[in-house]
Amino acid sequence: SQKIEQNSEALNIQEGKTATLTCNYTNYSPAYLQWYRQDPGRGPVFLLLIRENEKEKRKERLKVTFDTTLKQSLFHITASQPADSATYLCALGTAAGSTLGRLYFGRGTQLTVWP
Amino acid sequence: ETGVTQTPRHLVMGMTNKKSLKCEQHLGHNAMYWYKQSAKKPLELMFVYSLEERVENNSVPSRFSPECPNSSHLFLHLHTLQPEDSALYLCASSQDLAARYGYTFGSGTRLTVV
Repeated sequence: SQKIEQNSEALNIQEGKTATLTCNYTNYSPAYLQWYRQDPGRGPVFLLLIRENEKEKRKERLKVTFDTTLKQSLFHITASQPADSATYLCALGTAAGSTLGRLYFGRGTQLTVWP
Repeated sequence: ETGVTQTPRHLVMGMTNKKSLKCEQHLGHNAMYWYKQSAKKPLELMFVYSLEERVENNSVPSRFSPECPNSSHLFLHLHTLQPEDSALYLCASSQDLAARYGYTFGSGTRLTVV
């Protein structure tokens, strides 16, 4: 079965630094990979989607890379702020076939940005 | 508000009770989902509906029964639950099953089974 691993449960960094979160997967060939942010007691909020044929995507201070050879995605937050503190989830999905409609999530990485 | 509304936000129920969780979206999305989120575990996909038809039942025990009366509403009927069913239940919707633009999640229902 497919397996999705996010590098660590928790990541603590100083304000202003770049946070880098990792998502690795096995036994799966996703058509796209998504990143979500989740705050305590809330549902996840969609941030970015990157397709299998895209190497990199950016949105404001966020950057996502997708390496289908390494089966890995990196999620970067530049110039991090305490307000970026949250749990970040990666999720993989397909665009067709029998697994269409299934989005598989990692456990998440809890990011804490301290002043 | 995200556009997906879940009620109630919190629910405490005994193992012999019957209750229902409600999810509503007016985003014009055609696909809706139920996920279970337990502590220290990834989100678990429970059910998938597309245009009101169930397309996925991910080996969920029969004590959980979904209902999708129209494309805007999704219910999860609960009966004779176990304490291990205590979790955050999340509803999500997407434009279609391909979810190219991501899911929109509700805030969830925190369920405690006593």
